[in-house]
Amino acid sequence: GESVGLHLPTLSVQEGDNSIINCAYSNSASDYFIWYKQESGKGPQFIIDIRSNMDKRQGQRVTVLLNKTVKHLSLQIAATQPGDSAVYFCAGPTNAGGTSYGKLTFGQGTILTVHP
Amino acid sequence: GAGVSQSPSNKVTEKGKDVELRCDPISGHTALYWYRQRLGQGLEFLIYFQGNSAPDKSGLPSDRFSAERTGESVSTLTIQRTQQEDSAVYLCASSYSVGTQYFGPGTRLLVL
Repeated sequence: GESVGLHLPTLSVQEGDNSIINCAYSNSASDYFIWYKQESGKGPQFIIDIRSNMDKRQGQRVTVLLNKTVKHLSLQIAATQPGDSAVYFCAGPTNAGGTSYGKLTFGQGTILTVHP
Repeated sequence: GAGVSQSPSNKVTEKGKDVELRCDPISGHTALYWYRQRLGQGLEFLIYFQGNSAPDKSGLPSDRFSAERTGESVSTLTIQRTQQEDSAVYLCASSYSVGTQYFGPGTRLLVL
């Protein structure tokens, strides 16, 4: 079955630094990946997604990079702020075809702590 | 409403009791999902409803867990004869048939 996991469980940065959170996946047929941010006591909040026909996608202060060769994706946060402190999850489709609907498999999450 | 809502936000119950958790999806979203999140862990898929299709129940951990959905609206997750290992945050998400899942705030369940 699908598995999506993270390399680093915790990341501590200074305010203003750039942050990089990594994620590996196993289903090479997956065509869609999502990053979620979860603050304490809240549900996951959508940040950005990327389709497999893209290598890079940029949002506001965030960039997701996808390397299909090594089945790896990363989330880059520019000029990290204390409000970015949260747990970050990558997720991908669970179904064998890897298509962009249906249930998701989530990684274990990376705890990002931003120090003022 | 503007987003997915869930109730109650917190639930404390005694071992052996039944509980019902409610989810109101975003209006117009045909798909609805339930996930469980144990403390300090990622989300674990439980069940998925898509329109009028038979639900995907492959993630339900035991027959004590069940869920229903009325049309394309409210869903209820029921846990019968609760056990301490059922303690977790139960998260609901909804989406269009193909699209991003948006999550509610979750119900924090504590089984004593």
